[in-house]
Amino acid sequence: NAGVTQTPKFQVLKTGQSMTLQCAQDMNHNSMYWYRQDPGMGLRLIYYSASEGTTDKGEVPNGYNVSRLNKREFSLRLESAAPSQTSVYFCASSDWADSSYNEQFFGPGTRLTVL
Amino acid sequence: DAKTTQPTSMDCAEGRAANLPCNHSTISGNEYVYWYRQIHSQGPQYIIHGLKNNETNEMASLIITEDRKSSTLILPHATLRDTAVYYCIVRGTNFGNEKLTFGTGTRLTIIP
Repeated sequence: NAGVTQTPKFQVLKTGQSMTLQCAQDMNHNSMYWYRQDPGMGLRLIYYSASEGTTDKGEVPNGYNVSRLNKREFSLRLESAAPSQTSVYFCASSDWADSSYNEQFFGPGTRLTVL
Repeated sequence: DAKTTQPTSMDCAEGRAANLPCNHSTISGNEYVYWYRQIHSQGPQYIIHGLKNNETNEMASLIITEDRKSSTLILPHATLRDTAVYYCIVRGTNFGNEKLTFGTGTRLTIIP
């Protein structure tokens, strides 16, 4: 099993450009998440999807949109990139079958630079 | 979710036990304590979690005080590969809503 995969690994954008970060998991998990991590900081939740067909805002949703395409895939879109969105983006997934146990599995990250 | 407080950094000699403290004085009765770590620039990795009893797995042990206001993660025989940022996270158990709130964590450096 590949676990959580993310594409691309690296991306450079100019201010105002748009792009979509892709995330897929093969663990049949119900919940998926998008985080961003700025240098020297902890991860901050952007959006999450508790189950297929639902999405909710996290701590820092402004400037982003998400799509839960199916159970496996959860994409993050930047409509008009800004330098403040330069960050490392991590996707994660978890299975909520046991609500007391939540191991989130993280992807390798996408390193995004907005010039 | 309750806020946590961790030291910014710690050093530990290779082969010794690494003890990482975490304060969560505002934790409520249904909130669990989770530990994750992030090695270099990789995605975070789950280590262990607990409610009020001490827990042990193949990676680490988690000691939670009786009043649950603090906990300690123990890596029994630290190796160089344990150098990472360790995050202590407190989370409630709302079904279908498993958001994790990461702080800045403790940067643990294992010294040869």
